[in-house]
Amino acid sequence: DAGVIQSPRHEVTEMGQEVTLRCKPISGHDYLFWYRQTMMRGLELLIYFNNNVPIDDSGMPEDRFSAKMPNASFSTLKIQPSEPRDSAVYFCASSLFAGGPETQYFGPGTRLLVL
Amino acid sequence: DAKTTQPNSMESNEEEPVHLPCNHSTISGTDYIHWYRQLPSQGPEYVIHGLTSNVNNRMASLAIAEDRKSSTLILHRATLRDAAVYYCILRDVINTDKLIFGTGTRLQVFP
Repeated sequence: DAGVIQSPRHEVTEMGQEVTLRCKPISGHDYLFWYRQTMMRGLELLIYFNNNVPIDDSGMPEDRFSAKMPNASFSTLKIQPSEPRDSAVYFCASSLFAGGPETQYFGPGTRLLVL
Repeated sequence: DAKTTQPNSMESNEEEPVHLPCNHSTISGTDYIHWYRQLPSQGPEYVIHGLTSNVNNRMASLAIAEDRKSSTLILHRATLRDAAVYYCILRDVINTDKLIFGTGTRLQVFP
């Protein structure tokens, strides 16, 4: 398996623009997680899905952020409008099940810079 | 989620063993102890996990104290590639789908 795939790997945009980050989980995995990593706040869970349904979005910072999972093999994280404080590395992860001993597999991340 | 405490940083020489400690004094009976690591410019990757007994895999060993209030990740022979941030995470076996990352321990390995 190719692992979790994220695109783009790097994104530079200007404040106010819409940004869309994409993730393809490992085939057969029922859970998909979106994380954000910054120097100040470390790794934070934004939202996660089970069988394409959002389960917990309590980590989503504000209404400018939205996430969708239209099918089992694709998810997007959208920021509209983007702001400089959104600059971070965004990771997608997937797992077969959730909880307990289950392992999460992380993608390589998308490094976002908002100017 | 129960909290873990790790040293901010540790150093090791190549080919020496490394013992990375983690304190989790408020651990509950249903918490698994997970270790992930994050190599520079990469996403976190799973290292090992355990519940009560010591665990070994090809990457590392996990030693869990008898009272489960602390654990130690053991890298038997550190390599330069082991330089990373190591995260110790508690995860409830039933109630928690999430991984809650702390600040971790930054391991430096010197040639």
